[in-house]
Amino acid sequence: DAGVTQSPTHLIKTRGQQVTLRCSPKSGHDTVSWYQQALGQGPQFIFQYYEEEERQRGNFPDRFSGHQFPNYSSELNVNALLLGDSALYLCATTGGSGANVLTFGAGSRLTVL
Amino acid sequence: AQKITQTQPGMFVQEKEAVTLDCTYDTSDQSYGLFWYKQPSSGEMIFLIYQGSYDEQNATEGRYSLNFQKARKSANLVISASQLGDSAMYFCAMREVDSWGKLQFGAGTQVVVTP
Repeated sequence: DAGVTQSPTHLIKTRGQQVTLRCSPKSGHDTVSWYQQALGQGPQFIFQYYEEEERQRGNFPDRFSGHQFPNYSSELNVNALLLGDSALYLCATTGGSGANVLTFGAGSRLTVL
Repeated sequence: AQKITQTQPGMFVQEKEAVTLDCTYDTSDQSYGLFWYKQPSSGEMIFLIYQGSYDEQNATEGRYSLNFQKARKSANLVISASQLGDSAMYFCAMREVDSWGKLQFGAGTQVVVTP
């Protein structure tokens, strides 16, 4: 049973560019949340998707947007990249009988030069 | 305001010994959940243990136990019989009512287990 899968694992971009990160949820999970983890800090909630709609949003600018597809997979898009966007981006999914606990992927490490 | 406070940035512990990681939280909700996650250098957050605010007994999961003191708003993690593989960052997190996918994390505690 595959867990949460994220791609790409690492990527390097330059300021002003745009990036798309992808997440496939654990089997049976239908809710996807995205987190940003800067170096040396705890993860910060970006937003959550359920039934293809953004349900909750953290304190992040509109440059951060997302999408959820009918198969529950999700994308995180960041436009106009800043140096401060360099971080580990974690996808977490939940749903079904284990709805209480978020299952995290290994993350996508983004470096902005 | 900081919702989750982890005051220990780093700890060394000897193999086979127990270690307690501190966590205090701040909420006005009556219903909330408290979580501990482990993050090895690979980056993946691994769920360890959960405590609901209405749970009367402290949660236990194998070598992990959660010392829940509701009046003090603390949720300390105890790892018994430490193993070398326990070396990692440990994060305390809280989910408040109606925030299904939103966890608020502390800054973490780095644990290094020595032989």
